[in-house]
Amino acid sequence: AQTVTQSQPEMSVQEAETVTLSCTYDTSESDYYLFWYKQPPSRQMILVIRQEAYKQQNATENRFSVNFQKAAKSFSLKISDSQLGDAAMYFCAYSRSIIGNQFYFGTGTSLTVIP
Amino acid sequence: ETGVTQSPTHLIKTRGQQVTLRCSSQSGHNTVSWYQQALGQGPQFIFQYYREEENGRGNFPPRFSGLQFPNYSSELNVNALELDDSALYLCASSLTSGTEQYFGPGTRLTVT
Repeated sequence: AQTVTQSQPEMSVQEAETVTLSCTYDTSESDYYLFWYKQPPSRQMILVIRQEAYKQQNATENRFSVNFQKAAKSFSLKISDSQLGDAAMYFCAYSRSIIGNQFYFGTGTSLTVIP
Repeated sequence: ETGVTQSPTHLIKTRGQQVTLRCSSQSGHNTVSWYQQALGQGPQFIFQYYREEENGRGNFPPRFSGLQFPNYSSELNVNALELDDSALYLCASSLTSGTEQYFGPGTRLTVT
């Protein structure tokens, strides 16, 4: 069974600094997708970034980038130039690439941004 | 905003009662998934509907059931509510497998 582990329940970062959130996963599949979602206090989950397992290049979206290590089954999120609006719960998620794309989520990391 | 809406926002029910939660998918999305998110936890997959048919189910009992309608709106029904059913229920819509899911704001269900 697929599992997703986020070992950092809470993280904090100074505004304008960089922070890295960790995620590991377990799967026997070779083709899959990985995601980072942000859930602010308003509750709506927002997609931050996604990575296809077959792509070696790490995904980037503006200030957000990932370090995808397929062999190590590691998928960390780096937030550069942190802003107050980045404060939220961050969930790492895994999905297989075939129909029935159930998402498996980690337990989340609560990020605090200190002014 | 993701274009996915859910109703109601909050709901309080008594143990043993039945509840129906509703979700309106993002326009054009033919797949909807439902998740249960207990306090302090990540979302847990309940089931998925694709073109009005159940297309996958997580480890939830049969008293959790769903429907998807031709306009791709959907319902989650929970019978014989238990205290442990108290959670945030999220629906997420998507186009096809392997693509990102777009989440609604959730319905907070409290069972007393």
